Amino acid sequence: NAGVTQTPKFQVLKTGQSMTLQCAQDMNHNSMYWYRQDPGMGLRLIYYSASEGTTDKGEVPNGYNVSRLNKREFSLRLESAAPSQTSVYFCASSVGQGGGQPQHFGDGTRLSIL
Amino acid sequence: DAKTTQPTSMDCAEGRAANLPCNHSTISGNEYVYWYRQIHSQGPQYIIHGLKNNETNEMASLIITEDRKSSTLILPHATLRDTAVYYCIVRVANNAGNMLTFGGGTRLMVKP
Repeated sequence: NAGVTQTPKFQVLKTGQSMTLQCAQDMNHNSMYWYRQDPGMGLRLIYYSASEGTTDKGEVPNGYNVSRLNKREFSLRLESAAPSQTSVYFCASSVGQGGGQPQHFGDGTRLSIL
Repeated sequence: DAKTTQPTSMDCAEGRAANLPCNHSTISGNEYVYWYRQIHSQGPQYIIHGLKNNETNEMASLIITEDRKSSTLILPHATLRDTAVYYCIVRVANNAGNMLTFGGGTRLMVKP
């Protein structure tokens, strides 16, 4: 029962470096999401993909790009990392967008930018 | 989405039922009540959700008052592994972006 799998689990970058966070789900879900969680801030939505082939901005999209590679995979890219992007990043998926459809989360990627 | 109010922390004895309250007095008719928990260093874990009726699954029960202004999450036999922060969230049926808004939550400590 893998659910939502995120890689890597930990990463340290230098300012200006780029990297891609990977997310894959095996639940045949249509919708996928990327959140960041900062201390005292709760989760904030970065980008989401309602279905394969579509992506939309969330609450805090600046500095990020996403790719919905296929139904299973949704990646998050930092083109030029900044210290303000130090955070824990969570990927989630759900059957669809309806209010009665829960999101299921991965265990996160802990990213530090020096 | 409606705002929720939860106690900051609660204790529960191992093996006893844990009853976690949530106030959502401004909830609208099309908003669901969701419960998630987050164990340290892990991702949020979905527990249960409901609209009007009480719900039960293998993890917990959700009791929603008739006026829908408050709810209670019940863990019937709490174990040490249930120690976590529990979040009560209300969410509209057609929320663009389907974002979950996590508040402060209740830190539940299950004690031996």
